[in-house]
Amino acid sequence: DAGITQSPRHKVTETGTPVTLRCHQTENHRYMYWYRQDPGHGLRLIHYSYGVKDTDKGEVSDGYSVSRSKTEDFLLTLESATSSQTSVYFCATQGTTMNTEAFFGQGTRLTVV
Amino acid sequence: DAKTTQPNSMESNEEEPVHLPCNHSTISGTDYIHWYRQLPSQGPEYVIHGLTSNVNNRMASLAIAEDRKSSTLILHRATLRDAAVYYCILRDVGIHSGYALNFGKGTSLLVTP
Repeated sequence: DAGITQSPRHKVTETGTPVTLRCHQTENHRYMYWYRQDPGHGLRLIHYSYGVKDTDKGEVSDGYSVSRSKTEDFLLTLESATSSQTSVYFCATQGTTMNTEAFFGQGTRLTVV
Repeated sequence: DAKTTQPNSMESNEEEPVHLPCNHSTISGTDYIHWYRQLPSQGPEYVIHGLTSNVNNRMASLAIAEDRKSSTLILHRATLRDAAVYYCILRDVGIHSGYALNFGKGTSLLVTP
């Protein structure tokens, strides 16, 4: 299994506070992704990275920012958490060629109260 | 992006084969067909992928129609551990959107003893 670690695994935070989720990989994969998953929806892409300091927006990027200062770490920040950002967040990584499989972390369950 | 259509749910008996269908009538020539599954409370995991020819691996087989407008994921002998949501995803080698996976709602597979 690919070495992908998400932290924290669970978090409860208050509306209006900033929150940072971390994804750490040991596979030296070029591509990293943040998804969110809500009941009744499949996974939706928030942001992705195609290299150190190279990031771009996904389908549901409003209210989120990301940073990737090292190959192994991809941070997702909720600048001012809202209840609509209560969700399960998944990080994923992939190697250089697109016909390799993507590997997913175990998820972070975030509750904004 | 080309879309896929899957049944919302399917049911199978343990130790019997399962055929999970996927329609993708607008598939382009450069779209690969990927399958992922998500076990309860886990991140998605790769199952199989293919372009034109049928594919087999230790987890499953992928049968692709000659016109590529549909495909079928085959689990040869379902176990209780195969109960999951199965996602059929098209991935275009020609689009450099970070190669992110575009998840739909998938098929929820129930396996009964």
